[in-house]
Amino acid sequence: DAGITQSPRHKVTETGTPVTLRCHQTENHRYMYWYRQDPGHGLRLIHYSYGVKDTDKGEVSDGYSVSRSKTEDFLLTLESATSSQTSVYFCAIGPRVGGNNSPLHFGNGTRLTVT
Amino acid sequence: DQQVKQNSPSLSVQEGRISILNCDYTNSMFDYFLWYKKYPAEGPTFLISISSIKDKNEDGRFTVFLNKSAKHLSLHIVPSQPGDSAVYFCAAGTYGGATNKLIFGTGTLLAVQP
Repeated sequence: DAGITQSPRHKVTETGTPVTLRCHQTENHRYMYWYRQDPGHGLRLIHYSYGVKDTDKGEVSDGYSVSRSKTEDFLLTLESATSSQTSVYFCAIGPRVGGNNSPLHFGNGTRLTVT
Repeated sequence: DQQVKQNSPSLSVQEGRISILNCDYTNSMFDYFLWYKKYPAEGPTFLISISSIKDKNEDGRFTVFLNKSAKHLSLHIVPSQPGDSAVYFCAAGTYGGATNKLIFGTGTLLAVQP
């Protein structure tokens, strides 16, 4: 699975509580991404990082923040979880886009339920 | 505004026949396109890619066709096998672009019937 570990794999939390999801890589890739997958919406980019302490917003960044204090870890935080953030969250890593190889490798996901 | 669209939520084919999955995009800046396959409870895995300098790329049973003028790409699977049953996502990006990110479509669920 390309050296990506997401934790936790499953989480149930209550509305209004903070939640942090972790992505850990052993590939030393520069780029890391957080996507969410929802029925009818496919995979949507939340935030991404292009280096330590360098992050930027994706398509659906409202309500989320990220941090990357070292190359191998990329954290996604829901400051105050809402039911609309119930989803499956995928972390992805990769080198620069392009070339014959896949630019992104995905983790196995975190299923988050906000009640 | 969906920049990458997969208009067929599902597709069912018989084992041994051809599966054709379609994808449309709106952003003319995209010049790198990929297909990912996803099984339940797993992350998406890379299948095949194509850059805009080509109109076809083959890898075994999988072929991707790109029609730049129509902003359309398709994935052909021949022959289809039951193990191909999965959700297929197309994705688009910009080669060497500053943002280095991929935009995904909504996915097509392929069911290959034995």
